[in-house]
Amino acid sequence: DAGVIQSPRHEVTEMGQEVTLRCKPISGHDYLFWYRQTMMRGLELLIYFNNNVPIDDSGMPEDRFSAKMPNASFSTLKIQPSEPRDSAVYFCASSFSLVAGVGELFFGEGSRLTVL
Amino acid sequence: SQQGEEDPQALSIQEGENATMNCSYKTSINNLQWYRQNSGRGLVHLILIRSNEREKHSGRLRVTLDTSKKSSSLLITASRAADTASYFCATDRPGGSYIPTFGRGTSLIVHP
Repeated sequence: DAGVIQSPRHEVTEMGQEVTLRCKPISGHDYLFWYRQTMMRGLELLIYFNNNVPIDDSGMPEDRFSAKMPNASFSTLKIQPSEPRDSAVYFCASSFSLVAGVGELFFGEGSRLTVL
Repeated sequence: SQQGEEDPQALSIQEGENATMNCSYKTSINNLQWYRQNSGRGLVHLILIRSNEREKHSGRLRVTLDTSKKSSSLLITASRAADTASYFCATDRPGGSYIPTFGRGTSLIVHP
């Protein structure tokens, strides 16, 4: 398996534009996570899915952020409209279930977003 | 809110020395995990230790867990320049959802 695949790796956009980040998890994993990493706040969980269903989106900063998982092999994180404070590295990760808890997370290489 | 916090924030050592990083957390956990992140890359899983375990080894890595003190340590023995990276601990989110929550990490620099 190629691992978790994210695109684009880098995105530079202007304030107010729509941004869509994409993720392909590892086949067979039933959990998918979106994290955001900044120097100020570290690694924050935005939302996670279990079997394609959003379970907890309490980490999503505001209504400008939305995430979908239409099938087991694809997820998107959308920001509309984007703002400079959204500049960060966005990571997608996938995992399989354990009897108690979640197994190790497999991370993609991240999408570095810069909003001017 | 973040559950785990790593200490120190930064660590600089010479190749061949041991590196020890600590993680403290606030509430009871089920699992604690350690990850490594090289500059500009995604996080890579190192070790998972369960709440009923006290110590685990993987190659040059040794992880301990003290649930009474709500703390864990990651020891890298005989460090190499290639170990230069940030190291994160991840604990279950408060409330028992088992979802990993990450600390801010320890930045390790190993000088050749």
